[in-house]
Amino acid sequence: GAVVSQHPSRVICKSGTSVKIECRSLDFQATTMFWYRQFPKQSLMLMATSNEGSKATYEQGVEKDKFLINHASLTLSTLTVTSAHPEDSSFYICSARQTGTGNQPQHFGDGTRLSIL
Amino acid sequence: AQTVTQSQPEMSVQEAETVTLSCTYDTSESDYYLFWYKQPPSRQMILVIRQEAYKQQNATENRFSVNFQKAAKSFSLKISDSQLGDAAMYFCARRGAGSYQLTFGKGTKLSVIP
Repeated sequence: GAVVSQHPSRVICKSGTSVKIECRSLDFQATTMFWYRQFPKQSLMLMATSNEGSKATYEQGVEKDKFLINHASLTLSTLTVTSAHPEDSSFYICSARQTGTGNQPQHFGDGTRLSIL
Repeated sequence: AQTVTQSQPEMSVQEAETVTLSCTYDTSESDYYLFWYKQPPSRQMILVIRQEAYKQQNATENRFSVNFQKAAKSFSLKISDSQLGDAAMYFCARRGAGSYQLTFGKGTKLSVIP
């Protein structure tokens, strides 16, 4: 089945550090990928839609300059949390939609737990 | 706003018994898709079942089935013969036919009692 790999699975770093999270579709092409954020015991909140070869579309309230998204190829999207602070600590999950599959569901990565000290 | 509501923050069920998780949603669209996702402690999102709004027949996947009431905008999940491995957070989600963005409910934590 379709597999989405997300790396790293866990990051612990100091405040002020920039952190890059990768989301890869391993066995399919993904024109569109999504980035979600999940606080403890809460639901997934869509942060942005990542489109291959174009700018990401951010949801209201999400800082574009804080959460940089790059989708340079059909199999890779990256989320960079710039100058991370403790309030950015959260669980980040990506998902990918297989290109040309019409109404097939998204495939999720395993998530990245980000802890900023 | 297109919202998804799960009114049960927590549920519990005896092993081998049946449990139903509730979900209601709000939409102005006539065509859309509904999903139930399972998130175990490992945090991976696992698709349990999906339903196309234009289909009247309720979707089923082995021990999992849904009761889709389009007029009432209700989409409940029934788990039969509950197993210990069913313990997880369950999220109801919706997306429009013309969009690939998912809107999630707040989730229901299901505990299975041995």
